[in-house]
Amino acid sequence: AQSVTQLGSHVSVSEGALVLLRCNYSSSVPPYLFWYVQYPNQGLQLLLKYTSAATLVKGINGFEAEFKKSETSFHLTKPSAHMSDAAEYFCAVSDVSDKVIFGPGTSLSVIP
Amino acid sequence: ETGVTQTPRHLVMGMTNKKSLKCEQHLGHNAMYWYKQSAKKPLELMFVYNFKEQTENNSVPSRFSPECPNSSHLFLHLHTLQPEDSALYLCASSQDQTGGGRAYGYTFGSGTRLTVV
Repeated sequence: AQSVTQLGSHVSVSEGALVLLRCNYSSSVPPYLFWYVQYPNQGLQLLLKYTSAATLVKGINGFEAEFKKSETSFHLTKPSAHMSDAAEYFCAVSDVSDKVIFGPGTSLSVIP
Repeated sequence: ETGVTQTPRHLVMGMTNKKSLKCEQHLGHNAMYWYKQSAKKPLELMFVYNFKEQTENNSVPSRFSPECPNSSHLFLHLHTLQPEDSALYLCASSQDQTGGGRAYGYTFGSGTRLTVV
């Protein structure tokens, strides 16, 4: 059965610092992987996705994520945090069962 | 504008009321989903419709009743709810539920914030 873990339910970074949000998955087959962002009182918005093409995936708002099969990871990074990046971030995995499993989410705070 | 529109944005209802949540998308998607998002809990998938047919019901209590009249519209009918049903209800759509459709990800609406009093 597939599953998603996100290390750290809350992450704080200073404005301008590196953002690193961790995601590990378990799947019996090569999965599709996604990162979503949720701003307060909004729905989830797709940031980026991995679908077995390039392992380094670039998304919107300067975010990127790298698929590492050996580590079963899909960590999300951004070189320089901006105040507007403060939000909840969800990692999700989908495999041949057609089910999409969302992680529990990581709340990102950006300190001025 | 996300492409998926949910109404109302906020809803307060008593435990004996009957109300409905509406979701609409004009993205040409064929799969639609209802999720429940409660504080401090992971997203809970409630129902899935693929080409207007219900394909998943994740043991949701019968006080929640979905309806999908066509691929563009999805409703969630609510009756005799409990205070613990208070949550953000999110609708999502995708190209379809299977194969390549799931590779595209979901488009979510902004949600309906439901409070049961």
